[in-house]
Amino acid sequence: DAGVIQSPRHEVTEMGQEVTLRCKPISGHDYLFWYRQTMMRGLELLIYFNNNVPIDDSGMPEDRFSAKMPNASFSTLKIQPSEPRDSAVYFCASSLALAKNIQYFGAGTRLSVL
Amino acid sequence: AQSVTQLGSHVSVSEGALVLLRCNYSSSVPPYLFWYVQYPNQGLQLLLKYTTGATLVKGINGFEAEFKKSETSFHLTKPSAHMSDAAEYFCAVIPLSGGYNKLIFGAGTRLAVHP
Repeated sequence: DAGVIQSPRHEVTEMGQEVTLRCKPISGHDYLFWYRQTMMRGLELLIYFNNNVPIDDSGMPEDRFSAKMPNASFSTLKIQPSEPRDSAVYFCASSLALAKNIQYFGAGTRLSVL
Repeated sequence: AQSVTQLGSHVSVSEGALVLLRCNYSSSVPPYLFWYVQYPNQGLQLLLKYTTGATLVKGINGFEAEFKKSETSFHLTKPSAHMSDAAEYFCAVIPLSGGYNKLIFGAGTRLAVHP
């Protein structure tokens, strides 16, 4: 398996623009997670899905952020409108289950909002 | 609320020296415990995990960690550092009480290895 695949690897955009980050989880994994990594706040869980259904979005910072999982092999994280404080590395991860199962991380998308 | 504390945001060792990265958790009920490593410009990769059983856990790349309930600790060690070990290391827990069963990460420790 190719692992968790994220695109793009880097995104530079201007404040106010819409940004869409994409993730393909490992085939067969029922759980998908979106994390954000910043120097100030470290790694934060934004939202996670189980069988394509959002289970917990309590980490989503505000209404400008939205995430979807239309099928088992694809998820998006959208920011509209983007702001400079959204600049961070966004990771997608997938796992077979919660708790003691391993989460496998993608390489991340480095977002810069100017 | 459950928290994870990694003592030392930066650790520097000489090649061949012992690596010791510290992690403490806060809950009275021992959680599941994990160490992840992040190499530059890459995602996180699992080094090792403890869920039940033997308290000394061996992982990849020669790393191991020992769960000590009395100290609420899960420190990561490697007997002899290699240049390729330079990376950021994250301790993480999944609480087993309170219904919150998601990974909680520590702030990370950046390991530098010098010749």
